[in-house]
Amino acid sequence: GAVVSQHPSWVICKSGTSVKIECRSLDFQATTMFWYRQFPKQSLMLMATSNEGSKATYEQGVEKDKFLINHASLTLSTLTVTSAHPEDSSFYICSARDRLAKNIQYFGAGTRLSVL
Amino acid sequence: KQEVTQIPAALSVPEGENLVLNCSFTDSAIYNLQWFRQDPGKGLTSLLLIQSSQREQTSGRLNASLDKSSGRSTLYIAASQPGDSATYLCAVCNQGGKLIFGQGTELSVKP
Repeated sequence: GAVVSQHPSWVICKSGTSVKIECRSLDFQATTMFWYRQFPKQSLMLMATSNEGSKATYEQGVEKDKFLINHASLTLSTLTVTSAHPEDSSFYICSARDRLAKNIQYFGAGTRLSVL
Repeated sequence: KQEVTQIPAALSVPEGENLVLNCSFTDSAIYNLQWFRQDPGKGLTSLLLIQSSQREQTSGRLNASLDKSSGRSTLYIAASQPGDSATYLCAVCNQGGKLIFGQGTELSVKP
């Protein structure tokens, strides 16, 4: 089956630093990738839709300058949490939509971000 | 705006019991509905995907049904095992290709 690799799986950083999370589709091309955020005991909330070669589309209430998304190739999207603060601590999950199977998303294993 | 609701929020059953998890959605204009499993601190594992034209899908001890007109789906787990303990998430894929998730049902199967 299709594999999505997300890295790192866990990161701890100091307040004020920036953190980059990578999402790679390993065996398929993904023109679209999605970034989700999950708080403890809560469901996944879509943050933004990342389209290869164009600007990401952010959901209402998500700060685009805070959460920078780059999707420079058909297999890689990155999410950068800029000037991270403790309230940004969360579980971030990416998914990738197969260019050939557009209604199916494959999920990464998630990244746990802890901002001290 | 599509809303997805899962009932119950938590469920504890003894091993061997058959159980049903419920998912409802407000907008029937969906491409598909998917059930996922999430273990604590982990990502999502896709269990079953039902296309909007389908009524049910089966995989091993799992059976998922879809009634699009009434906005409901159920996940049936037969002969539950302690290893089935996890959070089960229901998500619908809307016309724009986005997934909208329910809050999940936290299942605990006691040995």
